[in-house]
Parts: sequence; C-alpha cells; structure tokens
Amino acid sequence: TQLLEQSPQFLSIQEGENLTVYCNSSSVFSSLQWYRQEPGEGPVLLVTVVTGGEVKKLKRLTFQFGDARKDSSLHITAAQPGDTGLYLCAGIYNFNKFYFGSGTKLNVKP
Amino acid sequence: EAQVTQNPRYLITVTGKKLTVTCSQNMNHEYMSWYRQDPGLGLRQIYYSMNVEVTDKGDVPEGYKVSRKEKRNFPLILESPSPNQTSLYFCASSFGVAGNNEQYFGPGTRLTVT
Repeated sequence: TQLLEQSPQFLSIQEGENLTVYCNSSSVFSSLQWYRQEPGEGPVLLVTVVTGGEVKKLKRLTFQFGDARKDSSLHITAAQPGDTGLYLCAGIYNFNKFYFGSGTKLNVKP
Repeated sequence: EAQVTQNPRYLITVTGKKLTVTCSQNMNHEYMSWYRQDPGLGLRQIYYSMNVEVTDKGDVPEGYKVSRKEKRNFPLILESPSPNQTSLYFCASSFGVAGNNEQYFGPGTRLTVT
C-alpha cells in the first residue's frame, strides 16, 4: 500500500485540454514536491509547497497543497505535447524522508 | 557543470555477488539519497544522509548498505544481491534541508540480478 496515492495513473488527452492530477494521503507532511520525469532520465523538480492551503503557479501549471497538508493537486491548463511525461508527487516527513506517489503518465496528443 | 554522477549506468549480475554503485556530486550538497524505481510503485527511498557520517533509513532499506565518509560521495552497497533488487536506482543530492530545496537526480543505474 502506497503512503501517497496518486491518480490517475494514466492520462491521454488532446492538445489544449485541461487536466488535474491528485495526490492523497492520510498522513500529514512537512512539505510536498512535484517532479516531472522524462524516459531515461532522473526526475526534475517542478515545485515545493510547504504551507497548508498554499497555491503556486508555474506558467500553465497550478499546484495546490491541502489545508491539512495531507493532499495536493497539479492542474495543467491548455496542455501541450511538450507537457508529456511522468509526473510524480513526493510527500516529505521531517523535511528529509521522502514518500513518492506511483506517478501519472501523461500523453498529450497534437 | 553541476551534476550528480552514478556508476555503472547498467549492471547485470548474479545472485549473491557483492556489488557497489557509486554516486558523486560536485555541488557541495549536504543531503544525499538513494531511491529505487519500479513500475507502478514510483520511487522509494532506500537510505539518505544529511551530512558526512550521518545516514538514516528510508522506506525500503533491507538488503542495502550505505556510507558517507566524504561529502561528495554516497555509495550504495548490495552485500548479497537477490533478484527482487532488480530495479532502476537513482542517487540524488540537495543543498541543506531536502524537503525545502531542489533535489538533483543522477542519470540512474539499471541493475539486473539473475
């Protein structure tokens, strides 16, 4: 059983559509991070959220940390083929111990 | 160039034959960590180190050892590898408190244990 449940596992959409990826847990985290991973490479950090209720925007990507610091969402507006990749959330305990979700494989078709 | 390097990148070995995967970073980062990635499970943390001579268990430490004798190096040791340790392994490092800062990941080591 994963400590951090990530959904959906797979997402295939057309260019221009919006999408949301969710990470949920019953545990409280000190912070939460979202990563994107390309095939054959290591994950690359997109954002870190620390405060409950925090919202961060990175161009067309919006990240939200739940009020109770147990869950998070990633919303992409007007998805583009360049957004294709594996998206991973990671809940962090005591700022040093990491628990990753199982990942969301996103495919954006032109 | 600031980077995390891992060696080897690919390794096929047999059950029980001790092996070491090296990890080195040139960014003077205090924090280093090892993860394994398996299909459908995301990344799972094996061990982490907050500084020289300070290491701690992650979520899946069984069957692995680490050491942090120098700041730049954090080798992962499999004393007696088994087939269930076949996986893609990533080393990562970050400045200061990992949960507040960016972790930089190495390119990965694909290990197959037969």
